[in-house]
Amino acid sequence: LAKTTQPISMDSYEGQEVNITCSHNNIATNDYITWYQQFPSQGPRFIIQGYKTKVTNEVASLFIPADRKSSTLSLPRVSLSDTAVYYCLVVGNYGQNFVFGPGTRLSVLP
Amino acid sequence: GAVVSQHPSWVICKSGTSVKIECRSLDFQATTMFWYRQFPKQSLMLMATSNEGSKATYEQGVEKDKFLINHASLTLSTLTVTSAHPEDSSFYICSAPDTRSYEQYFGPGTRLTVT
Repeated sequence: LAKTTQPISMDSYEGQEVNITCSHNNIATNDYITWYQQFPSQGPRFIIQGYKTKVTNEVASLFIPADRKSSTLSLPRVSLSDTAVYYCLVVGNYGQNFVFGPGTRLSVLP
Repeated sequence: GAVVSQHPSWVICKSGTSVKIECRSLDFQATTMFWYRQFPKQSLMLMATSNEGSKATYEQGVEKDKFLINHASLTLSTLTVTSAHPEDSSFYICSAPDTRSYEQYFGPGTRLTVT
C-alpha cells in the first residue's frame, strides 16, 4: 500500500480556498486517490476520489498531476463547519482496508 | 451512498466486564467489514477484518481472544471487548467496502469508556 504524506495541520479563515497537498511517491498504476473527512467523534466521510487530472464534485476538487506522485484537495470558500481532519488515501484494490495516515487537521477561523 | 450503522453510539462499562458493539450495513450486503480503533487526537488503526461465515483476521498486536469478532450475517458484524480495562477506552469504528469501487462506508463510531 502506498504511503502518503500530508501536512499535520492547517489554519484558514472563513471564505478562503484551502488546498491540502498529499504526497504519494510510490503510487502504483492501479491505485486511486481518495480523500475522507472526519469530524470529532464521527466516522470518516467520503469527499472525493480520482485517478488523474482533475475531478470536481459539489464539495471539492481534486487535482492530480501527470506523474500522480501527489494530489491536492481543494475546498472552495471554507466555512467554520469545514473544521475537521482530512485524510488522503491511496487504494489499489476493490474492498481492501484503508491504511490511515495522521491526516491534516484543518482549523477554519472566523 | 450506502449506510452503515453502529450500536451503541457510546457505552460506559466497568473494568472486567464485556461489551458488544454492533455494526450493520443497512441497505447493502457486506461479506467483509473492517474494525478500526481511534484514540484521541490520533488516526484510525485497523484492528481486524471481519469475514462473513469465517474467522476474522486480526492485525498484529491485536488480541483475538480479547476482541471477539462475529460476522454472522451479510449485514451484521459484532465486536465484543472482553474483560475490558481502562486502556481499552477508545473510539471504535467499523466500515464496509463497496466491492465495486474503492469507496468504503464508515459507521458513526462507538465511544467506549471503561471505568
